[in-house]
Amino acid sequence: GEEVAQTPKHLVRGEGQKAKLYCAPIKGHSYVFWYQQVLKNEFKFLISFQNENVFDETGMPKERFSAKCLPNSPCSLEIQATKLEDSAVYFCASSRGFQSPLHFGNGTRLTVT
Amino acid sequence: RKEVEQDPGPFNVPEGATVAFNCTYSNSASQSFFWYRQDCRKEPKLLMSVYSSGNEDGRFTAQLNRASQYISLLIRDSKLSDSATYLCVVNIQDSSYKLIFGSGTRLLVRP
Repeated sequence: GEEVAQTPKHLVRGEGQKAKLYCAPIKGHSYVFWYQQVLKNEFKFLISFQNENVFDETGMPKERFSAKCLPNSPCSLEIQATKLEDSAVYFCASSRGFQSPLHFGNGTRLTVT
Repeated sequence: RKEVEQDPGPFNVPEGATVAFNCTYSNSASQSFFWYRQDCRKEPKLLMSVYSSGNEDGRFTAQLNRASQYISLLIRDSKLSDSATYLCVVNIQDSSYKLIFGSGTRLLVRP
């Protein structure tokens, strides 16, 4: 597609439940990024993919967060056993390649109660 | 020290004013630079890429100073619709490829 498509728009989970977020990058874009935005404007880098391969996962809290980008499927970000501090807007973005700007999806607002 | 730093503002200016934002970055391996705009927690939208020679798009001018490791954004003749948060984004390309965001500068343009 011509836009990065993220689903769902909103997600509410009780503490300890699992949350799964989806992202379809723009067709032809090789790179996918996940960012977490909490409170004000702090964008935290989580993970990046080059096609289906993890490129950089230095931002991922590995105990509970995992992500995949499989061929012919939307990319996904999964949080096992959610905590209150996971409440945030999760943005997915895609790009053509190095030195290209990111194009963002509308985000998924996760609320953990 | 943060990898990308911005003055959080808010900058409160009247319509028609000229306003400038600066952003500093710490990693000299940074390769590419962008300004994004974010409205009310919506998705960031690309405002402009920043090139070494500086570039202009209408009322917006972006400059890069590699020696001092900062980029700037100048907005001339501010409009009410320019009110938003402006995010400085730096592409760190040393052993990886990731874009690091500044914390954003909030601009309020008043009538």
